[in-house]
Amino acid sequence: GAGVSQSPSNKVTEKGKDVELRCDPISGHTALYWYRQRLGQGLEFLIYFQGNSAPDKSGLPSDRFSAERTGESVSTLTIQRTQQEDSAVYLCASSLKGQSNQPQHFGDGTRLSIL
Amino acid sequence: ELKVEQNPLFLSMQEGKNYTIYCNYSTTSDRLYWYRQDPGKSLESLFVLLSNGAVKQEGRLMASLDTKARLSTLHITAAVHDLSATYFCAVAYSGAGSYQLTFGKGTKLSVIP
Repeated sequence: GAGVSQSPSNKVTEKGKDVELRCDPISGHTALYWYRQRLGQGLEFLIYFQGNSAPDKSGLPSDRFSAERTGESVSTLTIQRTQQEDSAVYLCASSLKGQSNQPQHFGDGTRLSIL
Repeated sequence: ELKVEQNPLFLSMQEGKNYTIYCNYSTTSDRLYWYRQDPGKSLESLFVLLSNGAVKQEGRLMASLDTKARLSTLHITAAVHDLSATYFCAVAYSGAGSYQLTFGKGTKLSVIP
């Protein structure tokens, strides 16, 4: 597709369940980022993938959060044993080569609600 | 820890007026980005500022960067209702070998006819 694609667009689940969010970056973009946006807040960095290099996981808030990416394609963000404070919009972005002179292009996000 | 502060956080202005949004950041960086977010939508890239003194303009919006003052401004000229949105600045942080962005909390702009 032309842009970053995320699914599902909305997810409602009970506390304690695991959830998996998907991101399909722009074709040819080697860098992929996950962010979290709580209601009325800016974005918090979670994790970064660049090609086949080891990911930068410095933003993951706890060991319940993990992410994978196969090569330079789709990424999944998994949250285990969800808590109510995990409720947020999870945004994925991709950019060309991960260089900071390139803007990051964002998907529409997954709105996650934990009951 | 890199901190990014925007002000004001809320801005209500009349059509036709001018105003400036400010973005201050706490550590050295020469990469600053402005994004726009409409309600329920994702972020749209507006400007990428890559050096001290950089100025970019698109329509009624103009962004500038002063790396010595660690300050970027987003100037709105003769506002129109279509500019109503939340505007975020973000600073590139090269920690851990990545170029993760640290975002301000956003400025919610409402342009009143």
